Amino acid sequence: GENVEQHPSTLSVQEGDSAVIKCTYSDSASNYFPWYKQELGKGPQLIIDIRSNVGEKKDQRIAVTLNKTAKHFSLHITETQPEDSAVYFCAASLRGSGNTGKLIFGQGTTLQVKP
Amino acid sequence: GAVVSQHPSWVICKSGTSVKIECRSLDFQATTMFWYRQFPKQSLMLMATSNEGSKATYEQGVEKDKFLINHASLTLSTLTVTSAHPEDSSFYICSATRGGRGRNTEAFFGQGTRLTVV
Repeated sequence: GENVEQHPSTLSVQEGDSAVIKCTYSDSASNYFPWYKQELGKGPQLIIDIRSNVGEKKDQRIAVTLNKTAKHFSLHITETQPEDSAVYFCAASLRGSGNTGKLIFGQGTTLQVKP
Repeated sequence: GAVVSQHPSWVICKSGTSVKIECRSLDFQATTMFWYRQFPKQSLMLMATSNEGSKATYEQGVEKDKFLINHASLTLSTLTVTSAHPEDSSFYICSATRGGRGRNTEAFFGQGTRLTVV
């Protein structure tokens, strides 16, 4: 089955700096890669996702890149703000007819943005 | 975005009792719902996939007789933790996808339920 590895486990940056979180996946058939932000005591919230037919996607300060050949994808947050502090999870999924679309999560990255 | 609501947000129960957690999609029909558990400072571990009107598919190592899942309608799935023990204390989270099975739809998560078994 699918296995997702996420690094680093913790990341501390200064406000205004960029943060990068990387994930690798094992199943080359996976075709959907979302990123979630989870605040303490709450459920995960989708912040950005990318499908296997594109290599990069950007939404304001957040961007995600995907390298299908190497089977890795990354989250980039620019101009970080203290409110970006949270735990971030990457995930991989196989979407399409006949598949459940279940998400397999990485281990999570605790991001701390220091003011 | 679509809203998924879990109830209760937290529950404390005595060892040996059963606890039911509800997961509702409030403004869309969820053909598929997923149940996860999350221990402190750890990732979300998929427990089971629930399809409306059929039996849930459990992940390896998850006891189906202990974690009963019912998905009786397109907007409601329930997880019942039977004969709960302290080691079942965890954060349980559901998610739902809208549209047909396995289609390219994002998953919407509930706010989670903190279960504490004493």
